[in-house]
Amino acid sequence: DAGVTQSPTHLIKTRGQHVTLRCSPISGHKSVSWYQQVLGQGPQFIFQYYEKEERGRGNFPDRFSARQFPNYSSELNVNALLLGDSALYLCASSSGQPTDTQYFGPGTRLTVL
Amino acid sequence: AQRVTQPEKLLSVFKGAPVELKCNYSYSGSPELFWYVQYSRQRLQLLLRHISRESIKGFTADLNKGETSFHLKKPFAQEEDSAMYYCALKGRNNRLAFGKGNQVVVIP
Repeated sequence: DAGVTQSPTHLIKTRGQHVTLRCSPISGHKSVSWYQQVLGQGPQFIFQYYEKEERGRGNFPDRFSARQFPNYSSELNVNALLLGDSALYLCASSSGQPTDTQYFGPGTRLTVL
Repeated sequence: AQRVTQPEKLLSVFKGAPVELKCNYSYSGSPELFWYVQYSRQRLQLLLRHISRESIKGFTADLNKGETSFHLKKPFAQEEDSAMYYCALKGRNNRLAFGKGNQVVVIP
């Protein structure tokens, strides 16, 4: 099992553009969560999906959206990029049960110029 | 609201010395507490969780509900312990709230 995978590894965009980040969970996991990690800070929760339904949303603007597909993979979309969106975007997968553990992917490093 | 505080950003210790990373939390219910670790060029990975009550790589952490703390301890630091350590809290909403992290540097 390769664990949680994310693509792309690195991405450079300019202000105003949009970006799509992808995540494949661990086989058998039905829940995916997205986090933003700005340099020097801990990860901050953006979204959680379970069985293709949004379970939770953090304090992020509507420019951020996500979805989960029937195979449980997920996409995070960010529109109208700002310089402040530059960060490491982490995906975590879990079984979706209350006492489960979240396993993290390697992240996508987004740089907005 | 869920909040996790890790007061010290950088901790330098000599090999063989004890390590203690402080974590305090704020949460109105019964939280689940975790320590995650990120070694250089590796992904964030779970180190331990309070419900397991186990020692991993010599590290232990005890949940103190009275002091709302979940400090991480290891009696004898090793060079391979150099890493970023994050304390995290999971509440009823099943989302993780992280502290800002501690950079641990073990000096040979």
